[in-house]
Amino acid sequence: DTAVSQTPKYLVTQMGNDKSIKCEQNLGHDTMYWYKQDSKKFLKIMFSYNNKELIINETVPNRFSPKSPDKAHLNLHINSLELGDSAVYFCASSHQTGGAKYEQYFGPGTRLTVT
Amino acid sequence: GQSLEQPSEVTAVEGAIVQINCTYQTSGFYGLSWYQQHDGGAPTFLSYNALDGLEETGRFSSFLSRSDSYGYLLLQELQMKDSASYFCAGVTGANNLFFGTGTRLTVIP
Repeated sequence: DTAVSQTPKYLVTQMGNDKSIKCEQNLGHDTMYWYKQDSKKFLKIMFSYNNKELIINETVPNRFSPKSPDKAHLNLHINSLELGDSAVYFCASSHQTGGAKYEQYFGPGTRLTVT
Repeated sequence: GQSLEQPSEVTAVEGAIVQINCTYQTSGFYGLSWYQQHDGGAPTFLSYNALDGLEETGRFSSFLSRSDSYGYLLLQELQMKDSASYFCAGVTGANNLFFGTGTRLTVIP
C-alpha cells in the first residue's frame, strides 16, 4: 500500500494557468507538508498543516494556497503559474511530534513544468 | 534564519567508507536528520540525532556535535546502490525540516 501518494506525477502547463496537485496519506499522521525542490535539488519547505490548521508558511507567494479537507489530504493549488514555479513538489507527512526520530514520509513528487 | 551547508559532491570507491559533513546555523534546533534521495525519487529518512554523539544503523552512522554546530553521515562498505544525494536537515519546532544544500555521492567500482 502506498503510504503517501500524489497526483499527478507530471504536470506540464502554460504560464498564467491555474493548477492543483493532490496529496493523500494513509499512515494516520496528523501533520502534512509541501516542499519545493528546484533544479539545483534544493529542498525547501512551503507549508505545514497540523490537524487541518496551517502552522507554517515560509514566505511562499500567495498564488500558492494549500487546502486540507481532512487530516489525510493536503492539496496544493497554484494560481497564475509562472516560469519560476517549475520544480518538483513533494508532499510529506509525519506525526505531530515527529515521534522519537522526527521522521517525515515523502510522496513520489510531482514534476511541474511551466512553459 | 536556517542555514545548513554540505559539500556538493563526493566520490568514493565501492567497499570504502565515506563521510558527508554538515555545518549548520539554525534557531530553535531540536536535532539533525539525514535523508537519502535517488535520482527521480523521493527523500527517504536515514537517521536522526537529538543528542551529541554517534547513532549507528547498519552500514550508516550519523554524528552530531551541538557545540560545534556540526554533524556528519558515515557510510561504510559502500555499495553501488548508495549512489544518491544525501541531505542533512535541521529539525525545529513542530517537526519542521530545513534541508541542507545536499551532497551528491557517486560510488565507483
